[in-house]
Amino acid sequence: GAGVSQTPSNKVTEKGKYVELRCDPISGHTALYWYRQSLGQGPEFLIYFQGTGAADDSGLPNDRFFAVRPEGSVSTLKIQRTERGDSAVYLCASSPYGLPNTGELFFGEGSRLTVL
Amino acid sequence: GIQVEQSPPDLILQEGANSTLRCNFSDSVNNLQWFHQNPWGQLINLFYIPSGTKQNGRLSATTVATERYSLLYISSSQTTDSGVYFCAVVDSGNTPLVFGKGTRLSVIA
Repeated sequence: GAGVSQTPSNKVTEKGKYVELRCDPISGHTALYWYRQSLGQGPEFLIYFQGTGAADDSGLPNDRFFAVRPEGSVSTLKIQRTERGDSAVYLCASSPYGLPNTGELFFGEGSRLTVL
Repeated sequence: GIQVEQSPPDLILQEGANSTLRCNFSDSVNNLQWFHQNPWGQLINLFYIPSGTKQNGRLSATTVATERYSLLYISSSQTTDSGVYFCAVVDSGNTPLVFGKGTRLSVIA
């Protein structure tokens, strides 16, 4: 596609529920990233994919968070047993190359998650 | 890990004024980008500038990699320039893009 596409744009859920957030990167981009942004803060790194594999998942806050990219294109971020502290905007980005010389990263519009 | 510091944290300008935003980083970088986050939360790419100088209309940026800083210049500011400006870097240690805390710019008519 022309840009990074994220769905849903907004998700409201109840504490304890399971949530999936989807990211469709720019066509041909090999690297994909998930970030989380809380109100008033800069985006914080969660996980990075090079192709199908998670090359760096050091930013995932705990084992309730998991992400996949089975065919090296679309990625899904999965959050189990959601907590109110998970409320944030989840941003996806893609770049033409992987680390260390990634080229320019492009971000989607984000998925705003609210956990009640 | 690499540290990214942006200054000033907040800036209020009269429409038509010029401004300079600064980004300091603590290690060598392979990638440096400037973003504008608009009021709707969208991160808009301004510059991909690991070194050198670039210009795009009223905006320009300079990165002096050897001295570990980058500057974003906004000339003849407009109210639509309001929002948060982020600097983000990829260091040479394979750490994915690290963001500064941003500069919140308000341009008033």
